[in-house]
Formats: sequence, structure tokens, C-alpha cells
Amino acid sequence: GAVVSQHPSWVICKSGTSVKIECRSLDFQATTMFWYRQFPKQSLMLMATSNEGSKATYEQGVEKDKFLINHASLTLSTLTVTSAHPEDSSFYICSARDNSPRANEKLFFGSGTQLSVL
Amino acid sequence: GDSVTQMEGPVTLSEEAFLTINCTYTATGYPSLFWYVQYPGEGLQLLLKATKADDKGSNKGFEATYRKETTSFHLEKGSVQVSDSAVYFCALSDRPSNSGYALNFGKGTSLLVTP
Repeated sequence: GAVVSQHPSWVICKSGTSVKIECRSLDFQATTMFWYRQFPKQSLMLMATSNEGSKATYEQGVEKDKFLINHASLTLSTLTVTSAHPEDSSFYICSARDNSPRANEKLFFGSGTQLSVL
Repeated sequence: GDSVTQMEGPVTLSEEAFLTINCTYTATGYPSLFWYVQYPGEGLQLLLKATKADDKGSNKGFEATYRKETTSFHLEKGSVQVSDSAVYFCALSDRPSNSGYALNFGKGTSLLVTP
């Protein structure tokens, strides 16, 4: 089946630094990818919808200048947490939409990135 | 807005026990409902889905029935195995199913099955 690769799986960084998370669709083209965040004991919350070649659409309450999303190709979207602070520590998950006619199911998820900001 | 509530874990069961993970939802329209499973170190995988009332989704021995009258989509399995140990997420979409739109998730329920 289709696979989405997310990297890194975990990262520890100092407060004030920036962290980039990559999400790749390995065997299909993804015009749309979604970025979620999950705090401990909370639901996965949609942060933004990333569309290839255009600006991302952010959910209410998500700072677009803090969470930079780039979807420059059909197989790669990146989320950059800029000037990270301890409150940004969370589990980030991406998902990608497979629009090909052959795809029986359309949505595939990465394995997630655990970010810890010291 | 739309939301999903599922029972909190962790749930610990012995092998061959009966499993129920409760999930209820709030939605203004007629959502599609999903159960996703996340095995350790892997991404979320679609386990089963239902797109309209009274539909039953089933896969790998798991079942869930879309109950509009009780706004529920409880996950059940008659006899769990150690390999079923994972985190289970209930989710809904207010868009047509199988269309890959963003989902609203529950908090996830961790299941541990012991030999």
C-alpha cells in the first residue's frame, strides 16, 4: 500500500532554535497534505492543510509565521517550527492524500515526530 | 463544531478476551466515521469505516456499526490477540468518505493484550 515517510521520528532542541519536519509520499503524488499536532492525552488536532504550489491553509489559532509549511513538490511537504519554545513540544503527524484513480483509500499517515523543546 | 469522544485507556485485556472501545460523535451533518490503528513505530492505518447510518465496517475481526440514533461508532472484536496491541483512534469526516479530507480525531485509546 501507499507509504508516507515522516522524518525525523523524534527531535530534541534548545529553546529558540528552528526545527524542520519532512513528510514524503513514497509511491504516489500528493497534491494535498495535512499536518496534525497531538498533545499528551489530547486528540490529534489539525494544524494546517498544505497544497502543492500554493500557500497552506491554517486552522484557527495556529500561527502561520511560527509553523511554516512548504509544499514545493508533489511528494514532499515540510513543517518548520520556528523559534521553538517548550510549549511547542508535541507529537506532530502528517498525512497525504492520494488522488490517483487506483487508490482505494485516499489518506495515508506518517509515523509522527515527537518534538521536545528544552 | 464536529467532535469525537472515545473512551480513555489504557485498556488491558488477556488474549481471546472481548474488546469494546466506545466512540461517540457530535456533528451537524451526516459524517463518515472511521477507526484508525497505530502500531508501535508506525503511522496511522485505516482499520474500518462507515459512511452512513446503520452501515457496519469490518476488518481483521474488528467491527463497528454507525448508530445515528445514539451518535456512536463503537469498535468491537470478539477475541483479541497480542498482535492487536496498538493505539486506536476514532475519527469523523464531514466530507464524502474515501476522499482524503482532513479528519476530526478522538484522543486515542491504547490497547495492551497480554498472553
